Amino acid sequence: SQTIHQWPATLVQPVGSPLSLECTVEGTSNPNLYWYRQAAGRGLQLLFYSVGIGQISSEVPQNLSASRPQDRQFILSSKKLLLSDSGFYLCAWSPDSRSTDTQYFGPGTRLTVL
Amino acid sequence: QKEVEQDPGPLSVPEGAIVSLNCTYSNSAFQYFMWYRQYSRKGPELLMYTYSSGNKEDGRFTAQVDKSSKYISLFIRDSQPSDSATYLCAIPPDSGAGSYQLTFGKGTKLSVIP
Repeated sequence: SQTIHQWPATLVQPVGSPLSLECTVEGTSNPNLYWYRQAAGRGLQLLFYSVGIGQISSEVPQNLSASRPQDRQFILSSKKLLLSDSGFYLCAWSPDSRSTDTQYFGPGTRLTVL
Repeated sequence: QKEVEQDPGPLSVPEGAIVSLNCTYSNSAFQYFMWYRQYSRKGPELLMYTYSSGNKEDGRFTAQVDKSSKYISLFIRDSQPSDSATYLCAIPPDSGAGSYQLTFGKGTKLSVIP
């Protein structure tokens, strides 16, 4: 069976500090991978998605970036965090490009920027 | 106009009650819809996946689509305290436009009181 991992589970960072969140998927090959942010009262917002190693698409402009160094690894980064980057970050995967609708989410990372 | 609208609640019901959760959508071309359940501080999990023709039942849960009014509903029979969560409706990506983005409602927070 497939599992998705995210870490850390919680993170408190000062404004201006860097960020690195990691997501890995087990039990599948060549998944589509997604990063979402969920802010209070604002719903789920897609930040990045990837259909393969090194292939990253951004849905919204921001000071965040994503990378996919391996097939089942997806990393969300920032060089300098802003207060507005606080939120609940969720990684998700879907089986392949034909199944972008059925997305499975990880446990999330709660980021607080102070 | 937003593609999917959902009343955020919160909704509080006594144990055993029938719960009705609803979303409206704007694009009549959508052929299927999803309901996700998200427990506090956890990632969303896919609850039900339903096509736009009629009802789908899974245990105590029934998903219903009314295409004429662009209305999707999730009914929970004999609600239990363990059903307390936020329920999010989701519409599929616009694959014709090359989108990978699921569009989520903002979620309805449900509390089932013992």
